[in-house]
Amino acid sequence: ELQLVEFGGGLVQPGGSLRLSCAASGFTFSSYEMNWVRQAPGKGLEWVSYISSSGNTKYNADSVKGRFTISRDNAKNSLYLQMSSLRAEDTAVYYCARNVDYYDRSGYKLGSGFDYWGQGTLVTVSS
Amino acid sequence: EIVMTQSPATLSVSPGERATLSCRASQSVSSNLAWYQQRPGQAPRLLIYGASSRATGIPARFSGSGSGTEFTLTISSLQSEDFAVYYCQEYNNWPPWTFGQGTKVEVK
Repeated sequence: ELQLVEFGGGLVQPGGSLRLSCAASGFTFSSYEMNWVRQAPGKGLEWVSYISSSGNTKYNADSVKGRFTISRDNAKNSLYLQMSSLRAEDTAVYYCARNVDYYDRSGYKLGSGFDYWGQGTLVTVSS
Repeated sequence: EIVMTQSPATLSVSPGERATLSCRASQSVSSNLAWYQQRPGQAPRLLIYGASSRATGIPARFSGSGSGTEFTLTISSLQSEDFAVYYCQEYNNWPPWTFGQGTKVEVK
């Protein structure tokens, strides 16, 4: 069964750091691009970070640029998010999500989406 | 950066009725649009990709349409498990991957 399990969330003071992990199982982790998406309490979804399957390409949302670093260890089937200089507005449930591309039989790309999500881990930034 | 605007914010529908949700992009995203469902306390679930293709295991009562800047998610006959929040997401000019603010479908 395909699973994504996040852990590492918790209460941290403003200015502090935290490292989130996402353990993947049930699929060939090294073949997939991955993302972190967050959701503040009672709010909508916000994409945070992306990493390519090899780990060579990374992107961050402007809201976390320079503070958050995404990484992965394909040998350990794990995705990470190193968060530093945390602010109150970073308080959210953080989800890891797998990126998938869909193709038809002739190889034409039909679309993309985040097809599997973990259950999320809550990060609370407060003094 | 593209802005995705969903309407209405809340849709009140009776079980068995049809629900129509809208998503508008601030500029064309071609057909590079996905829809997600999020039930209370759960992670989002991919429903539609490519504006109109159902993801694996998604019931046929869910359908997506549109291209360019105007998109629609239709639920043909609402079941109890369909009362949830729905998000559209564009992936035409990533990064970033931009979500709409969501439409809550509630019981009338």
